[in-house]
Amino acid sequence: DAGITQSPRHKVTETGTPVTLRCHQTENHRYMYWYRQDPGHGLRLIHYSYGVKDTDKGEVSDGYSVSRSKTEDFLLTLESATSSQTSVYFCATGAGASYNEQFFGPGTRLTVL
Amino acid sequence: DAKTTQPTSMDCAEGRAANLPCNHSTISGNEYVYWYRQIHSQGPQYIIHGLKNNETNEMASLIITEDRKSSTLILPHATLRDTAVYYCIVRDRDTGTASKLTFGTGTRLQVTL
Repeated sequence: DAGITQSPRHKVTETGTPVTLRCHQTENHRYMYWYRQDPGHGLRLIHYSYGVKDTDKGEVSDGYSVSRSKTEDFLLTLESATSSQTSVYFCATGAGASYNEQFFGPGTRLTVL
Repeated sequence: DAKTTQPTSMDCAEGRAANLPCNHSTISGNEYVYWYRQIHSQGPQYIIHGLKNNETNEMASLIITEDRKSSTLILPHATLRDTAVYYCIVRDRDTGTASKLTFGTGTRLQVTL
């Protein structure tokens, strides 16, 4: 499996505060993705990146922004956290062709009070 | 991407084969069938994928019907560690800059003694 780490692994924050989640990979994979997982919804794509400084929106991007200044790091920012953003966030990477399999990180559990 | 339909849950005795069905009746000619699984609290894990021929790897076998409207993931000798949610995903290979996975709610497989 690709070396993917996410930080922090758990976070509790208050409504209205900014939050940044970090995904770090050691495999030099081109593609990186942020998903969120909520009960009854499976995993839903928030944003993805197809190269350094190349990002695009997924299906649930409202309230989130991303940045990728280096191949190995993909940051997800909640500018002003809301309770509806309480979720488990997974980062994934993909190598080679865009349709190849994705490798997932361990997840970050975020609670917004 | 085509929609998939999977049973909500299944049980399997340890040591027996687990056969997980998936319907994808609207699949198009350029779409592949992917299977991932998610063990409790972990990130999803890639299992196998195929287009129209049956595929086998060290984890599982994938049987796709001739009309490609359904498929079956086979775990030949299920163990307790195979207890997980299994996702069947249909995915277009030609999606330009990035190929996104669309997760449904999957099948919860419970392997029992």
